[in-house]
Amino acid sequence: EVQLLESGGDLVQPGGSLRLSCAASGFTFSFYAMTWVRQAPGKGLEWVSSVTNSGDDTYYADSVKGRFTISRDNSKNTLYLQVNSLRAEDTAVYSCAKEGIGYSFDYWGQGTLVTVSS
Amino acid sequence: QSALTQPRSVSGSPGQSVTISCTGTSSDVGGYNLVSWYQQHPGKAPKLMFYDVNKRPSGVPDHFSGSKSGNTASLTISGLQAEDEADYYCCSYAGSFTWVFGGGTKVTVL
Repeated sequence: EVQLLESGGDLVQPGGSLRLSCAASGFTFSFYAMTWVRQAPGKGLEWVSSVTNSGDDTYYADSVKGRFTISRDNSKNTLYLQVNSLRAEDTAVYSCAKEGIGYSFDYWGQGTLVTVSS
Repeated sequence: QSALTQPRSVSGSPGQSVTISCTGTSSDVGGYNLVSWYQQHPGKAPKLMFYDVNKRPSGVPDHFSGSKSGNTASLTISGLQAEDEADYYCCSYAGSFTWVFGGGTKVTVL
């Protein structure tokens, strides 16, 4: 059974940083690209960042480019998102998702809440 | 990277059909047959309902269908059931390993 378990969310002040983690199990992690998607309270889904299966290539939404860094450790079956220079508008539940067929996302975690507030 | 446009809400009685539209541009929905749809019940993780516009993963009921015409994709629920009440999101690949989601549509079963 595929499982994705996020952690690392917290209340942080504007300008602060966090490292989010996503522990994966139930599939061969190193075979698949992985993605972070966020959902602000009461809002829709927003694609944040993706990384290829090897970790060699990373991609970001314009809204987070230069502030967020995605990475993975295939030996630990873990995906990361380093979030820096946080703003109030970054407040959201951050979920990791596994690459599916046809550039879809076939499994999602429950997410971890990041709250940016003074 | 502008969000795809979905209606905020749609509703129908049990047994009726409802259709959710998802409008993008030639750079996303219109440019690729790589539209996916997700169902999200409150407090739950999104569930993949369609990939490649109209392909259902195993386990997705066949009273759901997907289609696309030009820059607009659609999700149709035929024979609406109580358990179909949820939020639905479309998503399109937008090239260069980027994606764009719709704003989401709340489906209410009356």
